[in-house]
Amino acid sequence: GEDVEQSLFLSVREGDSSVINCTYTDSSSTYLYWYKQEPGAGLQLLTYIFSNMDMKQDQRLTVLLNKKDKHLSLRIADTQTGDSAIYFCAESYNQGGKLIFGQGTELSVKP
Amino acid sequence: DGGITQSPKYLFRKEGQNVTLSCEQNLNHDAMYWYRQDPGQGLRLIYYSQIVNDFQKGDIAEGYSVSREKKESFPLTVTSAQKNPTAFYLCASSLTKWETQYFGPGTRLLVL
Repeated sequence: GEDVEQSLFLSVREGDSSVINCTYTDSSSTYLYWYKQEPGAGLQLLTYIFSNMDMKQDQRLTVLLNKKDKHLSLRIADTQTGDSAIYFCAESYNQGGKLIFGQGTELSVKP
Repeated sequence: DGGITQSPKYLFRKEGQNVTLSCEQNLNHDAMYWYRQDPGQGLRLIYYSQIVNDFQKGDIAEGYSVSREKKESFPLTVTSAQKNPTAFYLCASSLTKWETQYFGPGTRLLVL
C-alpha cells in the first residue's frame, strides 16, 4: 500500500542550510507537497512540486524530486529560528481526494 | 478575510457522549476533508466530501460521522463508539479533489 517515510528529527545552527528528506511508494502520485506545522497550529502549505518536475525553487526553499528513487527533499537556505517547526511531506493518492502524509520531521534551529 | 475556521479550539468529551466539531470555509471550495493527528504521527484521513450532499469514508472512519448539507460547512461528529478520541483534528478544503488542500487551525479533543 501507499506509504511515506521521513526522519523524525533534524537539528541545525542558525544560518546553515537544512535538508529534510522523504521517501514515498506511490509512483502514480501527481503532486508532492511540503507543509509546515508550528506548535498547536494547523498545517501551512509551503510548496509543492508536480511529478514531472525535478526541481522547484521558491525564495529560500528548494524542492528536489527523484522519481526513479521515489525520493523528495526540501532544502531551506539560511535557516532561521522562526523555521523551527514540524515539516510534513505528503503525496496525492492517484485517485485524488486523499493525501498520504509522512510522520513529520521536527526541525530545531539553534542560535 | 477568506479562509477555513474550526471551532472550538479545545473540546472536552465525557464518556458516552457525542461531540461535534465545526469546520467552515469561505473559499468557495467544493472538496472538504477531516484528518486526525496523533502525537508523533502524520495525519490520517477520516472522511472527505467532493461535493455537497456527498461524502466518502477515509482510512479511519469508524466511530465518526459527517454531513455536507452546505458547501461552506463540513461538521464532524465524534460518537461514543470512538474509543480513543483524544487527538488533534484538522479540517481542510480544496477547489476540487485534485487541487491543493488548505488547512484550518485545528480542534484539540480531550476526554474527561
